[in-house]
Amino acid sequence: DGGITQSPKYLFRKEGQNVTLSCEQNLNHDAMYWYRQDPGQGLRLIYYSQIVNDFQKGDIAEGYSVSREKKESFPLTVTSAQKNPTAFYLCASSIRGPQHFGDGTRLSIL
Amino acid sequence: GQQLNQSPQSMFIQEGEDVSMNCTSSSIFNTWLWYKQDPGEGPVLLIALYKAGELTSNGRLTAQFGITRKDSFLNISASIPSDVGIYFCAGPTSNFGNEKLTFGTGTRLTIIP
Repeated sequence: DGGITQSPKYLFRKEGQNVTLSCEQNLNHDAMYWYRQDPGQGLRLIYYSQIVNDFQKGDIAEGYSVSREKKESFPLTVTSAQKNPTAFYLCASSIRGPQHFGDGTRLSIL
Repeated sequence: GQQLNQSPQSMFIQEGEDVSMNCTSSSIFNTWLWYKQDPGEGPVLLIALYKAGELTSNGRLTAQFGITRKDSFLNISASIPSDVGIYFCAGPTSNFGNEKLTFGTGTRLTIIP
């Protein structure tokens, strides 16, 4: 089945540790996005990429990093510089149309 | 930047009731999208609207693209338990291509037994 796969579903981070969230899509979509969702809140854009080897900062990029080495993959690293990383992270992709989302990764601090 | 205001923020209804919610913007949008998010999952696209005045249905859901292009409405008829969730409106920040979306703050729908 075509779709967007995020892994892991749940992730725990220790203080001072970097963690990487995976996002893979087999929809042949050009663009991919990362969002952060806090409880009871809407979605806020972290980073997005419209083409391989290129990406732009969204509204809340500080403390995060991404790469786009392959069309189907857009991993997000939550660095130790992100002081409040506990949230639900959503990956999306699109091709000249509405964005479609994965099922998210919930990140918590130990 | 552009902001989308959704109302109401939450709704408590009984099964079988009709639901109406809306989304307003301070600036013009050329496309309106409505998504539904179930707990612990990603949002799922319900309806996409591309033209001012457009009225589109998807089963018991009907959405309208406001004539001023600054608002959109979503109606759900004869609600059922699986309608529970958070409904988001969204619109692209520029001509619709692979561009950023602005999301509303969501309307949380709860069905009272």
